[in-house]
Amino acid sequence: DQQVKQNSPSLSVQEGRISILNCDYTNSMFDYFLWYKKYPAEGPTFLISISSIKDKNEDGRFTVFLNKSAKHLSLHIVPSQPGDSAVYFCAATVTYSGAGSYQLTFGKGTKLSVIP
Amino acid sequence: SQTIHQWPATLVQPVGSPLSLECTVEGTSNPNLYWYRQAAGRGLQLLFYSVGIGQISSEVPQNLSASRPQDRQFILSSKKLLLSDSGFYLCAWSVLMSAGGAFFGQGTRLTVV
Repeated sequence: DQQVKQNSPSLSVQEGRISILNCDYTNSMFDYFLWYKKYPAEGPTFLISISSIKDKNEDGRFTVFLNKSAKHLSLHIVPSQPGDSAVYFCAATVTYSGAGSYQLTFGKGTKLSVIP
Repeated sequence: SQTIHQWPATLVQPVGSPLSLECTVEGTSNPNLYWYRQAAGRGLQLLFYSVGIGQISSEVPQNLSASRPQDRQFILSSKKLLLSDSGFYLCAWSVLMSAGGAFFGQGTRLTVV
């Protein structure tokens, strides 16, 4: 049972346009959501996060939107740049699940290609 | 600043051989430590996490084990590797409720042949 789903395995966007990456989750206990960016043969790097008490969080070109009723979140990248080309993972966790540890549940990732 | 070291970067091991992957964290005390695996065509799967020395929780029953002999050291082991153990193994750390979530090492590409 996949609790975090990224239904688009890949996405191609023209440089300068908006990239929208989507993520759905099924576990209503999740209360903290994160996006990670991963290059080949490297570990994921944290991009942006959002708590379930918010519906939007913005950091520079990156904005994450959370729709709790739909159990859906999205990452917007504006404007997209060629260096944004990578695999993006959505992750979720239950923050009160003991000792404050980040037991992250990841989606399968979406490969973003930004075309110059 | 905090850094995480994970080695080796790549590893090719025969079926039935043992495994030991090591991860160390610098610049922080009492971190939470994690082992994740990314198998081909799949997302990142949490294998083990540890909130302190000697405290290991397993998320997925399997052919692997983990140990935390020191505060900032996390080891992933297997006595006999299976073909299905191939994948990209990632160590990560976090501190209590940091906004940045977990921070990952560079990963180890394990190929079991």
